[in-house]
Amino acid sequence: KNQVEQSPQSLIILEGKNCTLQCNYTVSPFSNLRWYKQDTGRGPVSLTIMTFSENTKSNGRYTATLDADTKQSSLHITASQLSDSASYICVVSLNAGNMLTFGGGTRLMVKP
Amino acid sequence: DVKVTQSSRYLVKRTGEKVFLECVQDMDHENMFWYRQDPGLGLRLIYFSYDVKMKEKGDIPEGYSVSREKKERFSLILESASTNQTSMYLCASNRGIDTGELFFGEGSRLTVL
Repeated sequence: KNQVEQSPQSLIILEGKNCTLQCNYTVSPFSNLRWYKQDTGRGPVSLTIMTFSENTKSNGRYTATLDADTKQSSLHITASQLSDSASYICVVSLNAGNMLTFGGGTRLMVKP
Repeated sequence: DVKVTQSSRYLVKRTGEKVFLECVQDMDHENMFWYRQDPGLGLRLIYFSYDVKMKEKGDIPEGYSVSREKKERFSLILESASTNQTSMYLCASNRGIDTGELFFGEGSRLTVL
């Protein structure tokens, strides 16, 4: 069964600190992996996309990594800001049409 | 600025009522989706549509139906709302079947009493 597991479920950090969110998946055949950020009460917004051949991709203070061999991805947030408080959702796409598998999300809270 | 608009941000309905959730996108996307989002369960696909008048069941279609009469509009219908349909409903759209970034609406929080 195709699954996407995210850890931790929730995380609290102090403003200015770094953090890393994890995503493990069993989806096969793999097409791409996206990280979405969902602010409270809003819809998710795409942060990064990674395909099979990509190991790392940055979007400002967000850096995503992908290890296709171990089927793991991480999202690293550098110098966190209060506005980073949100849920982060990992979504893996099957190599067939629009079949997506969503992780349960990590809820990040950045405190001043 | 691209946009997916959901008609209602918050709704409160009674058990047995018929509920319509409307979604409109202005990006000329072929594909539209309805998800529900519950704590601890993540997003689950209810229905999707890849063309006008076409629809496909997702993972949890029971108790729901959809309508896509125009390319830009995708409606979710709860024929007889039940308390276990209390949830956040998210509409999304994308173009084609390539890398498939989903563009989401702001969500509709439905409470069924």
